[in-house]
Amino acid sequence: QKEVEQNSGPLSVPEGAIASLNCTYSDRGSQSFFWYRQYSGKSPELIMFIYSNGDKEDGRFTAQLNKASQYVSLLIRDSQPSDSATYLCAVNMGGTASKLTFGTGTRLQVTL
Amino acid sequence: GAVVSQHPSRVICKSGTSVKIECRSLDFQATTMFWYRQFPKQSLMLMATSNEGSKATYEQGVEKDKFLINHASLTLSTLTVTSAHPEDSSFYICSARAGTGGWTDTQYFGPGTRLTVL
Repeated sequence: QKEVEQNSGPLSVPEGAIASLNCTYSDRGSQSFFWYRQYSGKSPELIMFIYSNGDKEDGRFTAQLNKASQYVSLLIRDSQPSDSATYLCAVNMGGTASKLTFGTGTRLQVTL
Repeated sequence: GAVVSQHPSRVICKSGTSVKIECRSLDFQATTMFWYRQFPKQSLMLMATSNEGSKATYEQGVEKDKFLINHASLTLSTLTVTSAHPEDSSFYICSARAGTGGWTDTQYFGPGTRLTVL
């Protein structure tokens, strides 16, 4: 069983719509959760992180965390073509090293 | 803030040579840096955790004698790919951990180094 799972996509949404990206994780003791965006050929860029159950908003992005169900999601409002990228979910499953376990990413395509 | 640089951005070398990649945290100190490798259309694979002033911790299956890591200061870690071969061609990305060592710490990534071994 993969530790962090994401649908590989592609997820296609029209410009201006809401894109919903989902991620599930296997370790119930996981404590912090991160969303990164990666454009083709580039390195990951941090979008936002969340630690507590509920929603966290930052501009057009909202992260949602449900520890009981072991899922975390990212909503992108008013999607733009420039949002087209691969979105990586990363989970810190604890430990002093603060290593992140990454999902395989969901490719988002925002169409005109 | 939280800027991480990597050098070189791209390198092409002959098989059998060694390549050194530098990772620097420009505006914060990082006691821990991480080295990842990413093959085309695959996700990030953690290679090792680099700790300032101590030996790196390598992930299972990663040869420590082939991938030498040195974390000489709080802002610099280097990865040396020794005797590189074509199968080592990949996108190498470092990240630096910002924070005091807890689970709230955040990793910021460098821009990556694309290595091509001929």
